[in-house]
This record gives sequence, structure tokens and C-alpha cells, in this order.
Amino acid sequence: QKEVEQNSGPLSVPEGAIASLNCTYSDRGSQSFFWYRQYSGKSPELIMFIYSNGDKEDGRFTAQLNKASQYVSLLIRDSQPSDSATYLCAVKAAGYSTLTFGKGTMLLVSP
Amino acid sequence: GAVVSQHPSWVICKSGTSVKIECRSLDFQATTMFWYRQFPKQSLMLMATSNEGSKATYEQGVEKDKFLINHASLTLSTLTVTSAHPEDSSFYICSASPAANTGELFFGEGSRLTVL
Repeated sequence: QKEVEQNSGPLSVPEGAIASLNCTYSDRGSQSFFWYRQYSGKSPELIMFIYSNGDKEDGRFTAQLNKASQYVSLLIRDSQPSDSATYLCAVKAAGYSTLTFGKGTMLLVSP
Repeated sequence: GAVVSQHPSWVICKSGTSVKIECRSLDFQATTMFWYRQFPKQSLMLMATSNEGSKATYEQGVEKDKFLINHASLTLSTLTVTSAHPEDSSFYICSASPAANTGELFFGEGSRLTVL
């Protein structure tokens, strides 16, 4: 059974700090990795995705993938109160059209 | 990113009635759409995969006769909750991917169903 694990949090960081969100997955056949942000009462929105080992940067966001360790992370630099949300990690296995989601980590950025 | 639109955003109905939720891909064609359900403070739960022109594929434990899915065109999928009961009250979200090979999903706004 494919599993995606995330710490539920909340992860509390002060404004301007770096927030580090982590995710591990069980299926070594996973090929695509996604980070979604979900505000309370809203649907998830895609932040970024990563396929290859290493880092991928997009503005204040950096996704990091280590397939050997089955680990993917999301760094948010210069965290803002508006970044306060639940962050969902999702994984897609080769040959599958569906994503497996983690339960999400709640991030709280205090002013 | 791609745009997926869902309607209605909110619906309140009496127990025993049926409710239809529409999901449209506005700027791309989607042969496959996905329906999720999310209870408060819980993660997304995939209910079914909607396939254009064919039957939907339901996840284990999801009643296909209760949650009717129709995907009649490349831009529209509908979810009908039949004979709704209070335990069906939830946040229903559809999603679709404009690129099957890469797999990134874009979500509709979600539909919050309250069954009285």
C-alpha cells in the first residue's frame, strides 16, 4: 500500500524565517512529487512539483527530493503570515494516474 | 496553471434528496477527472476516477450506486450524491490534469454539502 507521511504539526515559525516541511513516501516506484497548499475551507492549490533528485526553486519556495531516502521537502523562505495554511505532499507512481496525498502539515507563521 | 471550475460551492439539502455537483475544465480537455472527499481536519480521500465516455472507477469502500459519476464530455464531469444523508455532509472536490504524463492535478473550488 502506497503511503505518504507528513508531520501534522502545527509547525510554528516567526515571520521572515524559513519554514521546512517534510514528507516521506513508501513506494520506491514513485516518480513525481507535488506540494499543495490548502487554506482552511478552500481546495488545494499546486505550489510546485519535482521529478529529479536535488533542489528545485520557484520564488520563495524550494522543493528538495532524495529518492534514495524516499524523502521530499519544501522550504519556504521569508515566511509570511499569508503562508499559514496546510501543506499537502502528494506522490505519483509510474503507470498510475492518481496521486497519493499525505495528511498535510499545518504551518502557522506569526507576525 | 490550468483552471478547473466546480459548481455549486455550497449546497444544503434535506435528507433523502439527491444533489448534483458539476466539475469543468475550462482551458484544457480532461479525459480523466478525479473526485475527492474531505472531512473536517482530515486529508483528501479519493472517491473515484471519472473517465470520459466510460464508467468511473471507484475506490474501495465507495458506493457506486450512491455516488453517481458521469463524464459525458472532455470538459465536464458530474457527481450526484443520491439519497443523501447527514453522514454524506462533506467537502467534495474535483480535480483534473492537463498533462497525464507529468500528473500535476488542478483542483476545483470544492463543493461543501450539508445534509439536514
